[in-house]
Amino acid sequence: DSGVTQTPKHLITATGQRVTLRCSPRSGDLSVYWYQQSLDQGLQFLIQYYNGEERAKGNILERFSAQQFPDLHSELNLSSLELGDSALYFCASSSPWGAGGEETQYFGPGTRLLVL
Amino acid sequence: EDQVTQSPEALRLQEGESSSLNCSYTVSGLRGLFWYRQDPGKGPEFLFTLYSAGEEKEKERLKATLTKKESFLHITAPKPEDSATYLCAVLPPGGATNKLIFGTGTLLAVQP
Repeated sequence: DSGVTQTPKHLITATGQRVTLRCSPRSGDLSVYWYQQSLDQGLQFLIQYYNGEERAKGNILERFSAQQFPDLHSELNLSSLELGDSALYFCASSSPWGAGGEETQYFGPGTRLLVL
Repeated sequence: EDQVTQSPEALRLQEGESSSLNCSYTVSGLRGLFWYRQDPGKGPEFLFTLYSAGEEKEKERLKATLTKKESFLHITAPKPEDSATYLCAVLPPGGATNKLIFGTGTLLAVQP
């Protein structure tokens, strides 16, 4: 168990709908990352938040948005869903670089999104 | 563009048959290289972080090594429970973000 939690585990919805994925980082971690993993592509970085502020963006679609709340949990909002958005969505968290310990990103169990 | 390439894409071993997985990268001055294990439908599980060329780390039957252009994950006497996809990721230079760049993974199957 990495200590990162994600809900829901599975999500089935229709095209055009909007969904929200939730992530709680490991205790003490300030950074949250969102990744998308589809069958034909590896893990693709979407966005990073650090202590409530957006830190970096990857190839995140304009239909997707995220935020990190004061309690450090994060939500990824996906709107106007298309069939191609079906994928596994992972959240990861990390402690500040240089803070000591094994420096890496710890991944949650993921949310499997199926758009029909 | 920073790239991470893993080979082979898939590997089938007999139990006890040692082998190595390769991860090559084009990133200059990387801040770290990471190995993860991923089981089907699960999140990547952290294995190792390597920081500089010449560094080695071991955990049970796994040993990771790093050179200036590539990393190897050596699997000694594998068991069926080692079957999984092994992912390599690099952390490029630049202090503002810790965005990882992942390879597409090596799917390892260990047969009893």
